Amino acid sequence: GENVEQHPSTLSVQEGDSAVIKCTYSDSASNYFPWYKQELGKRPQLIIDIRSNVGEKKDQRIAVTLNKTAKHFSLHITETQPEDSAVYFCAAIPIYNQGGKLIFGQGTELSVKP
Amino acid sequence: GAVVSQHPSRVICKSGTSVKIECRSLDFQATTMFWYRQFPKQSLMLMATSNEGSKATYEQGVEKDKFLINHASLTLSTLTVTSAHPEDSSFYICSAGEKVKNEKLFFGSGTQLSVL
Repeated sequence: GENVEQHPSTLSVQEGDSAVIKCTYSDSASNYFPWYKQELGKRPQLIIDIRSNVGEKKDQRIAVTLNKTAKHFSLHITETQPEDSAVYFCAAIPIYNQGGKLIFGQGTELSVKP
Repeated sequence: GAVVSQHPSRVICKSGTSVKIECRSLDFQATTMFWYRQFPKQSLMLMATSNEGSKATYEQGVEKDKFLINHASLTLSTLTVTSAHPEDSSFYICSAGEKVKNEKLFFGSGTQLSVL
């Protein structure tokens, strides 16, 4: 089955700097890669996603890149703000998973210092 | 986006009691619901996949007799933690997709279970 590895587990940046979180996956059949932001005690919120037929996607300060050959994808946050502080999870869905069974990475706790 | 309502948001119970958690899809029909468990500072771990009108599929290591899942309608799935013990204390959260192979999942608000 699919296995998703996420690094780093914690990341501390200064406000205004960029933050990069990286994930690798094992199943070449995975074709959908969402990123979630979770604040303490709250539900995960989808912040951006990418499909396997696209190499990069951007939404304002957030971007995701995908390298299918190397089976890794990354989240890039530019001009970080204190409100970006949260735990971020990457996930993958293999194409054969009906109904979207998400396999999550271990999570990255991002801290943005003012 | 679609809304998944989850209740209760927080439960404190004595060891040995059973706790039921409900997830409802409010504006769409959820043919499939997923139940996750999340321990502090850890990732979301899939417990089981619930399909309307059929038995749930449990992940390896999850006791089906302890975590009873019922998906009796296209808008409601329930998770019952039977004979809860302190080690069952965790954040439980459901997610639902509107149709088969719909990768965009919508999460419930989660239930923080504390077993004394």
